[in-house]
Amino acid sequence: DIVMTQSPDSLAVSLGERATINCKSSQSLLYSSNNKNYLAWYQQKPGQPPKLLIYWASTRESGVPDRFSGSGSGTDFTLTISSLQAEDVALYYCQQYYFTPPWTFGLGTKVEIK
Amino acid sequence: EVQLVESGGGLVQPGGSLRLSCAASGFTFSNYWMSWVRQAPGKGLEWVANIKQDGSEKFYVDSVKGRFTISRDNAKNSLYLQMNSLRAEDTAVYYCPRILSGYSHAPFDSWGQGTLVTVSS
Repeated sequence: DIVMTQSPDSLAVSLGERATINCKSSQSLLYSSNNKNYLAWYQQKPGQPPKLLIYWASTRESGVPDRFSGSGSGTDFTLTISSLQAEDVALYYCQQYYFTPPWTFGLGTKVEIK
Repeated sequence: EVQLVESGGGLVQPGGSLRLSCAASGFTFSNYWMSWVRQAPGKGLEWVANIKQDGSEKFYVDSVKGRFTISRDNAKNSLYLQMNSLRAEDTAVYYCPRILSGYSHAPFDSWGQGTLVTVSS
């Protein structure tokens, strides 16, 4: 099974500052035939279900603020929040949907306000 | 607006059974792969099972194979998860997310609020 490793486990960032979360896959998620990376990012606020933020590693889901961006290819990916807002406090998960089953998630990164 | 509403959770003893339901609305249910994903208290997300649009393909995480059965009724816009031989480690909130697009190799784009299953004596 593909292992998704997120880092850090948690981070505290000042309001308006940049937050960066990393995700590493145990195998490449890049499909050469379509040049797409089968990697998604989710946000989960306390007491709420997860929400899809980014898919294909860098495509923002409709309605997601543009301060959220995804980058990377192959095995290394990054979710960046360019200017942290109070409402961004949440857990963030990466997930691969290439080598399935199973569909696997990272363990999550907790983002807090410093 | 896409809506997914899970129900059927509750307290069950180890070894018992439970059937979860997920009512879908706001989209053409029969066009999408559907899933069950769970989250144990204070833990991360774990995919549990997927089912193809017509029910002809089903996949399960190893830990539930032989105990859980995913099914769907497209006429009722409903997804189900029959859970037998429940264990304490099955305690979790169970979500029924939709898979984006008509393919299984896609992310989970819509989620319900989940239903809590507690396995305890």
